[in-house]
Amino acid sequence: GQQLNQSPQSMFIQEGEDVSMNCTSSSIFNTWLWYKQDPGEGPVLLIALYKAGELTSNGRLTAQFGITRKDSFLNISASIPSDVGIYFCAGAAWGGGNKLTFGTGTQLKVEL
Amino acid sequence: DVKVTQSSRYLVKRTGEKVFLECVQDMDHENMFWYRQDPGLGLRLIYFSYDVKMKEKGDIPEGYSVSREKKERFSLILESASTNQTSMYLCASSLQGNEKLFFGSGTQLSVL
Repeated sequence: GQQLNQSPQSMFIQEGEDVSMNCTSSSIFNTWLWYKQDPGEGPVLLIALYKAGELTSNGRLTAQFGITRKDSFLNISASIPSDVGIYFCAGAAWGGGNKLTFGTGTQLKVEL
Repeated sequence: DVKVTQSSRYLVKRTGEKVFLECVQDMDHENMFWYRQDPGLGLRLIYFSYDVKMKEKGDIPEGYSVSREKKERFSLILESASTNQTSMYLCASSLQGNEKLFFGSGTQLSVL
């Protein structure tokens, strides 16, 4: 099955810095989602995007649905220690059996 | 809050053993899913179910089977465990579709 490519694979940043990560696909998706996995837990949904060009915020997090429908971006402003974890993008395509395709993940580590 | 409970946090099995991973959700969700998570590969869908006694193959069903005898319970079965099935297994459920998934905390399976 198809997988989404996320970059960077991991990042080590200072507390207070802004963070950007992205997710790209070779095919079009109609829904993009971003999940976060805390250490030792399952992923939790952060943001859902349903329209090309859509920009949605959830606190310090902002995600965008790329205009081409083949990519999505997640930004975290003023990072804090609890932002540590793995961030996954996921896409859903109509006619794809309603299945979610997950990205490879971006591991975020925050230095105090 | 939705609770998805996986029966074991850590499991160690021997090659050739039959392994059962159990998952229970308490929110009357129609849909349940089994994923495996491997570093650098993200989450890959093994099997899913949209109704009791119904199952559909995901992207990597080989070597696995599932059972859904009751709405709240979805079991993943490894008929004859192999070392390449050492992984983190995540169960998830959703009310509708497969976008807003609620995940369990995962079972780390080691096959020796």
